[in-house]
Amino acid sequence: RKEVEQDPGPFNVPEGATVAFNCTYSNSASQSFFWYRQDCRKEPKLLMSVYSSGNEDGRFTAQLNRASQYISLLIRDSKLSDSATYLCVVLGAGSYQLTFGKGTKLSVIP
Amino acid sequence: NAGVTQTPKFQVLKTGQSMTLQCAQDMNHEYMSWYRQDPGMGLRLIHYSVGAGITDQGEVPNGYNVSRSTTEDFPLRLLSAAPSQTSVYFCAAGTAAETQYFGPGTRLLVL
Repeated sequence: RKEVEQDPGPFNVPEGATVAFNCTYSNSASQSFFWYRQDCRKEPKLLMSVYSSGNEDGRFTAQLNRASQYISLLIRDSKLSDSATYLCVVLGAGSYQLTFGKGTKLSVIP
Repeated sequence: NAGVTQTPKFQVLKTGQSMTLQCAQDMNHEYMSWYRQDPGMGLRLIHYSVGAGITDQGEVPNGYNVSRSTTEDFPLRLLSAAPSQTSVYFCAAGTAAETQYFGPGTRLLVL
């Protein structure tokens, strides 16, 4: 089983739609979780951290379910500028190494 | 502040050649790392450093060397380039592994 798994998509959604991505991780001892965003031919950028209590940043909401070992990202009121690849990222307990999922591609259509 | 800078942006090598990919940061962050990104593979950690003088291997270290003589610089050396090392290379820096800022990347083609 891969350490961090994501549906590669693409997710093609109209402007204004709500879209959700899920990610599963295999190491139950993982301690920290993140969503990064990567635009085409650009570097990844941290979008948000993910906490057990859930966290929200404007139109973006991230959730962590430790029991089921999955992480989710919800984007409300999608904008054209949200088009990108979203990377699920996990840090293992006592580790200095981030493990990246392969990413989910989102295209927001006018 | 420039953040994380990488040079060169593009490079073409012949099999067997060696080269150094440069990475520098002006944020005074202790943690630095090198990743490669290949189609369908996601980002994979090559080497990382938790401070000057300290380096360790990541997931795919073979064929690469690193050193960290200063906080600012973390060069990646390809000892004898192979076509399998054709990739996009990203350097990152952060206060810890949790919060990393990535450089713009180096696109490497090995013929």
